[in-house]
Amino acid sequence: AQSVTQPDIHITVSEGASLELRCNYSYGATPYLFWYVQSPGQGLQLLLKYFSGDTLVQGIKGFEAEFKRSQSSFNLRKPSVHWSDAAEYFCSYNNAGNMLTFGGGTRLMVKP
Amino acid sequence: DTGVSQDPRHKITKRGQNVTFRCDPISEHNRLYWYRQTLGQGPEFLTYFQNEAQLEKSRLLSDRFSAERPKGSFSTLEIQRTEQGDSAMYLCASSLEGRAADTQYFGPGTRLTVL
Repeated sequence: AQSVTQPDIHITVSEGASLELRCNYSYGATPYLFWYVQSPGQGLQLLLKYFSGDTLVQGIKGFEAEFKRSQSSFNLRKPSVHWSDAAEYFCSYNNAGNMLTFGGGTRLMVKP
Repeated sequence: DTGVSQDPRHKITKRGQNVTFRCDPISEHNRLYWYRQTLGQGPEFLTYFQNEAQLEKSRLLSDRFSAERPKGSFSTLEIQRTEQGDSAMYLCASSLEGRAADTQYFGPGTRLTVL
């Protein structure tokens, strides 16, 4: 079955530390991949997307993600986390059928 | 440039009542999507429209759920005879038809609590 897996339910990092959130997908072809962020009680904000081409994509708020076909992964990274980055992060894909399939999310907490 | 808006933001209802939510997409977007998000989970696709046509509705959770987009602009999602299990955040998104995988922009959601 097609799916998205985010192995880490919770992650805590210190402010200023680097961050990597993992995402693995299960799909026969190369899907279109997205990362969204959700603050408590809010909707989802698009951070970045990968369609094709350069496998390292830059997004808003200093985030980047790298698509690795061999590992079926699309991990999100940030070199230095800010307290305002505390939120829930969702990886998703679109298989060109217009339906987004989401992972279960990773909740990020930032220690001062 | 206004984003996707949803109304109401919060709805509390008693079991068995009907509820209706509204979504206004980004003005030039012709595709509109509904998702449901339960606590601690990622959003789950329900249905989508291209203009006024509902192109996918097999994922609606039961026949108590229905959605409309009569003039290809705003959309409504109705839940009839609500149950406690319907308590969730209902998210709307919109996109502009173009590439095979349109980028979907989400509204703030409507949080439904069924007592």
